[in-house]
Amino acid sequence: NAGVMQNPRHLVRRRGQEARLRCSPMKGHSHVYWYRQLPEEGLKFMVYLQKENIIDESGMPKERFSAEFPKEGPSILRIQQVVRGDSAAYFCASSPQLAGYNEQFFGPGTRLTVL
Amino acid sequence: SQQGEEDPQALSIQEGENATMNCSYKTSINNLQWYRQNSGRGLVHLILIRSNEREKHSGRLRVTLDTSKKSSSLLITASRAADTASYFCATATNAGNMLTFGGGTRLMVKP
Repeated sequence: NAGVMQNPRHLVRRRGQEARLRCSPMKGHSHVYWYRQLPEEGLKFMVYLQKENIIDESGMPKERFSAEFPKEGPSILRIQQVVRGDSAAYFCASSPQLAGYNEQFFGPGTRLTVL
Repeated sequence: SQQGEEDPQALSIQEGENATMNCSYKTSINNLQWYRQNSGRGLVHLILIRSNEREKHSGRLRVTLDTSKKSSSLLITASRAADTASYFCATATNAGNMLTFGGGTRLMVKP
């Protein structure tokens, strides 16, 4: 049973470019969460999605950031017109049901570097 | 300060010693979870303790939860060099969905 998959593992972008981060949840999991981790800090919640629905995006910046989890395929976190402050590790997690009652399983993360 | 603050921020011990990390939080929770993160890697789930539980064990790990003090502790007994990592507590509320993480405790176990 493969774990949560994320790709790419490392992504380098220049300021103003777009970054697309992909996450494939564990088999049978229909809930996906995205978190951001700045160096030497804990993870900060960004967005929670179920298939084709955004459930909670309270942690996601209103501009330049968007997320989707289509019926088919991975969840995508998209950052438009990246700035240096977007440099961070972005982690995806999945769970089979509401996270308040179960653990979340984390992927290895995508480390974004903005030059 | 944020929900889920760990204390100490950094801890250095010798192999074989016990390591204790503490976590405080602010709001009512449904459960509290501890995760480990090795440098540059993803998070590994260690243990989940529900709000109606007071203590839980898993191998060399012992977690306590005091909801009256809004605090939790993680004890790693007979530590090994391989335990060197950052340890995070994360809380989940009854509203569910997201986990709120603390800043972590960086543990170094010297061989």
